[in-house]
Amino acid sequence: EVQLVQSGAEVKKPGESLKISCKGSGYSLTNYWIGWVRQMPGTGLEWMGIIYLGDSDTKYSPSFEGHVTISADKSISTAYLQWSSLKASDTAMYYCARHKYSTSLHDAFAIWGQGTMVTVSS
Amino acid sequence: EIVMTQSPVTLSVSPGERATLSCRAGQSVGSNLAWYQQKPGQAPRLLIFGASTRATGIPARFSGSGSGTEFTLTISSLQSEDFAVYYCQQYNNWPHRFGGGTKVEIK
Repeated sequence: EVQLVQSGAEVKKPGESLKISCKGSGYSLTNYWIGWVRQMPGTGLEWMGIIYLGDSDTKYSPSFEGHVTISADKSISTAYLQWSSLKASDTAMYYCARHKYSTSLHDAFAIWGQGTMVTVSS
Repeated sequence: EIVMTQSPVTLSVSPGERATLSCRAGQSVGSNLAWYQQKPGQAPRLLIFGASTRATGIPARFSGSGSGTEFTLTISSLQSEDFAVYYCQQYNNWPHRFGGGTKVEIK
């Protein structure tokens, strides 16, 4: 079965760093764009950014650029989302998602991970 | 950035009735529009892409229409499992923003 498997829930303190992951299971992500989507408690979906695993080309939403870093390791079909200094306002569910078609730059998200809940609290 | 506006915010519908959800783009996105369904505690699920093409396994009661700036998702006869939040997303220009969502609730 084709799926994206995300790392587990995290509880962190403000100022700490964090890196969460998203791994392709049952297939290689090398030729796909993988995006990250934030969902704060009780709110809607926010498109954060996206990375092409083949060459790590990355696009960010202006709302998130400079606040998070998206990276990838194509050798293990894994994309990452990281923070260098977390804030309480980063508390949210984070989803990774894969474009429907391989190499497609502008596309819908056809496959979603199960989500990683990040809680930032002192 | 292209702003995506969904209406209504909440739609109260009886089972078996038709539901019509709207999505408006701040500028033309052609047919590069997707619809997703999200149930509580679950990840979103792709329903429609290319404004009108159903994703794999999506029942025929779901249909999408529109192009340019005005789009509609229609659920022809609501089933109990269809009560959820629905989001549109444009993927014509970066960033590929989502609309704010429409919650379809039981009347």
